[in-house]
This record gives sequence, structure tokens and C-alpha cells, in this order.
Amino acid sequence: GENVEQHPSTLSVQEGDSAVIKCTYSDSASNYFPWYKQELGKRPQLIIDIRSNVGEKKDQRIAVTLNKTAKHFSLHITETQPEDSAVYFCAASQNRDDKIIFGKGTRLHILP
Amino acid sequence: DAGVTQSPTHLIKTRGQQVTLRCSPKSGHDTVSWYQQALGQGPQFIFQYYEEEERQRGNFPDRFSGHQFPNYSSELNVNALLLGDSALYLCASSLGSGEAGELFFGEGSRLTVL
Repeated sequence: GENVEQHPSTLSVQEGDSAVIKCTYSDSASNYFPWYKQELGKRPQLIIDIRSNVGEKKDQRIAVTLNKTAKHFSLHITETQPEDSAVYFCAASQNRDDKIIFGKGTRLHILP
Repeated sequence: DAGVTQSPTHLIKTRGQQVTLRCSPKSGHDTVSWYQQALGQGPQFIFQYYEEEERQRGNFPDRFSGHQFPNYSSELNVNALLLGDSALYLCASSLGSGEAGELFFGEGSRLTVL
């Protein structure tokens, strides 16, 4: 079955700097890659997703890139703000069966 | 529009007992997925229900079972509880259109097994 690896497990960046979180997946049939943000004590919420027919997608300060050949995808957050502090999860899925498999998460700390 | 609701929010059980967790999906959604999230870990897929049947299952033992009702709400049952079953159990709903899409999560049920 699908396996999603995520790194780093913890990331600290200065406010205003950029943060990058990287994930790899094992199943070449996966073609949907969402990213979820989970603030302390709250539910995970989707922040951006990408399908395998595109290599990059951007939404304001957040962007995701996908390299299907290498089975890598990454989350980029620019101009980080205190409210970006949270745990971020990458995930992968196949359209066919809709099961979404998550990575272990990256705890992002934005330093003042 | 109510989002995904789960009950109970917290519960404490002892080893060997059984527990039932409940989930009502977001209005308009017909698919319910259950995840187990241990402290400091990512959500682990337990199973997914669509049209009242288990459509997909993760690597969880048969002690974990579920049900989906005609109104799309769902239950997760865990028998013979172990200490290692202590976790946050998240329910997520989505549209079972055949194409993977956004999961809407509930706040979770935090289970402590003593």
C-alpha cells in the first residue's frame, strides 16, 4: 500500500522567512496530494492540494510543487507569520478509491 | 451548515472494554473515513464507509469495526481495548464521487485506555 514519508519533523524559521516541507510517496499510481494544517487542539484542515496533471500550484503565500518522476512533493510557505505555527501533514491518494494516506507531520515554529 | 460532528469528545475506558464512537458527516457528504491519531503522529487510516459498506480498510485488526447508517452517519467500534488504542479518533467526511477530494474532519474523540 501507499507510504508517505515527510521531513523535517520539526522546523523553526524566523518570521518573514520561507519554510519548506518535503514529502515522498511510494505508490506511483497516487495522483492526488493534499496538505493539511492542524493547529494545537484543533482539527486538520486542508490548505492546498495538487493533482498529478500539474507540477505546481500557488495560493497567496502557499505553493506546492510535485515531481512525479521522483515521487516527491513539497510545501512552500513564504513571508511566514506567527499564525503559520502549526503541524502540517502531507498526504497522497489515488482517485480510484479515495483513501488518503498521511505523513507523520512537520511541526512548524515561527520565531519572532 | 453544520460541519462534521463527533461524540463523545473525551472518554476513558479500561483494558478489555469496548467503545463506540459516533460521527455525523457534513451536510451533503456521503462518505465517512475514520482515522487514528496518536500523540505527535499523523492520522492513520482505519477504514472508509460509502453506501453503508466498508469500501477501504487500513492495517488495523478486526477489533476495529464500523457501520454506516442510511443517513450517512457512522460508528466506530473497538473491542477488547488495549493501552495502545489510546489516541484521538478523527472522523472525516467527503463526497464519494470516485475522485479523491477534500476531507472535512471533526474535532475528534479522545480515547484514554487505562
